[in-house]
Amino acid sequence: KAGVTQTPRYLIKTRGQQVTLSCSPISGHRSVSWYQQTPGQGLQFLFEYFSETQRNKGNFPGRFSGRQFSNSRSEMNVSTLELGDSALYLCATRTSGSLETQYFGPGTRLLVL
Amino acid sequence: DQQVKQNSPSLSVQEGRISILNCDYTNSMFDYFLWYKKYPAEGPTFLISISSIKDKNEDGRFTVFLNKSAKHLSLHIVPSQPGDSAVYFCAATYQGGKLIFGQGTELSVKP
Repeated sequence: KAGVTQTPRYLIKTRGQQVTLSCSPISGHRSVSWYQQTPGQGLQFLFEYFSETQRNKGNFPGRFSGRQFSNSRSEMNVSTLELGDSALYLCATRTSGSLETQYFGPGTRLLVL
Repeated sequence: DQQVKQNSPSLSVQEGRISILNCDYTNSMFDYFLWYKKYPAEGPTFLISISSIKDKNEDGRFTVFLNKSAKHLSLHIVPSQPGDSAVYFCAATYQGGKLIFGQGTELSVKP
C-alpha cells in the first residue's frame, strides 16, 4: 500500500512570499496532521484535519493555515514567509484510530532566503 | 514552553551494549507517551508506546519505562545495533489529542 506523499520535497522561497505544501494520505486515512521540525525545537504540532474540519491546532501564528479536501488530501499554506520558517514540514496521516497507526511522510524541506 | 524535553542531543554507544534515551515532561495531564525513530530524509516511524497507567512496556529489544512521580520516561535498547543509529523522539499526548514532541536525541551505535 502506498505511503504518505508530500510535495514538493524541497522548496526555496524568499522572505515575504507565500508557499503551499501538499500531503496525500494513505488510502483510507482521514486524519492529517502537520508538524514543523527545526533543529533544537524538535517537531512542533501545527494542526490536524479530519473529514475536512480542523480538529486541533498548535501555537503558530495565523500566517500558517491549512485545509483538507474531500479526498482527504491536505494542503498547508504559509503566507508572508520569514527566515525562521525555514524548516522540515512533516505531515502524518491515520484513520480515526490510535496514534500508533499514524504514519509520517518524508517531509518538505523549506528554505527561506 | 517546552512541555517535553530530551536534554541529550546526542548519544554514542558501542554495538551490543545498552542504549538509554531519556525524556522529561512537565504536564501531569499527559496520559500516553510514544517513541519515534527517524532516519535522514524519512519521516519518523512509531517505535513503542506506554500508557500512564503502566510503568513498563516491552517490545523485543525495546523497553520503555515511565516514572510518573518524576515525570520521566526512558527508552532502553538492548542490545544496540548499528541499524539503530537514528534520531529518537519522545512524544506525549492527552486524551489522544495533539502530540507534543521532544527535541530529539541522535543515537550513534558504533560497530
